[in-house]
Amino acid sequence: DAKTTQPNSMESNEEEPVHLPCNHSTISGTDYIHWYRQLPSQGPEYVIHGLTSNVNNRMASLAIAEDRKSSTLILHRATLRDAAVYYCILRGASYGKLTFGQGTILTVHP
Amino acid sequence: ETGVTQTPRHLVMGMTNKKSLKCEQHLGHNAMYWYKQSAKKPLELMFVYNFKEQTENNSVPSRFSPECPNSSHLFLHLHTLQPEDSALYLCASSQEGQALNYGYTFGSGTRLTVV
Repeated sequence: DAKTTQPNSMESNEEEPVHLPCNHSTISGTDYIHWYRQLPSQGPEYVIHGLTSNVNNRMASLAIAEDRKSSTLILHRATLRDAAVYYCILRGASYGKLTFGQGTILTVHP
Repeated sequence: ETGVTQTPRHLVMGMTNKKSLKCEQHLGHNAMYWYKQSAKKPLELMFVYNFKEQTENNSVPSRFSPECPNSSHLFLHLHTLQPEDSALYLCASSQEGQALNYGYTFGSGTRLTVV
């Protein structure tokens, strides 16, 4: 599985935007970029995924670099409920196990 | 309710006990998974089932025995565990084989303590 690299931790203030980076320089042409988050004492939760184009949904936006070697998860207005561990994961087109790394611990300050 | 239900939420068991963890998915997915999450460590994939058939066992000790009677139910049978097996055990499901890549849906997990 191609590897991703994320910062160990990031901090933000409430109602400010948050940009969570992920590097994946060995990504293959068929790998999708997935983001999950894990709130305290819960299982991981799907956030968003994309292949080449930027993606938006009700939770977040995903900005993918033109060369696909990096991506950024954007939370437009952080809330206290967004404090979680965020995981960036590469996964194949129609099948591929989800392999988790350490992720980024996001702390949101009131 | 996430669509993937795990029971029990908490379990304390002695090293000589036998217990089972249950997972049920209501999403019509064709694949199910067991993950283990120990303190301060990433999630570790334990077992993968596709269409009720086990397709992956990541060198998991035999004291953990999975069972998948149908595509909606997954069990993890526990026997003669060690204190280091104490962890959060997470079940997930997904729809595999489609051209469009969907994600996994996780349950809330079972917090297991081995004493």
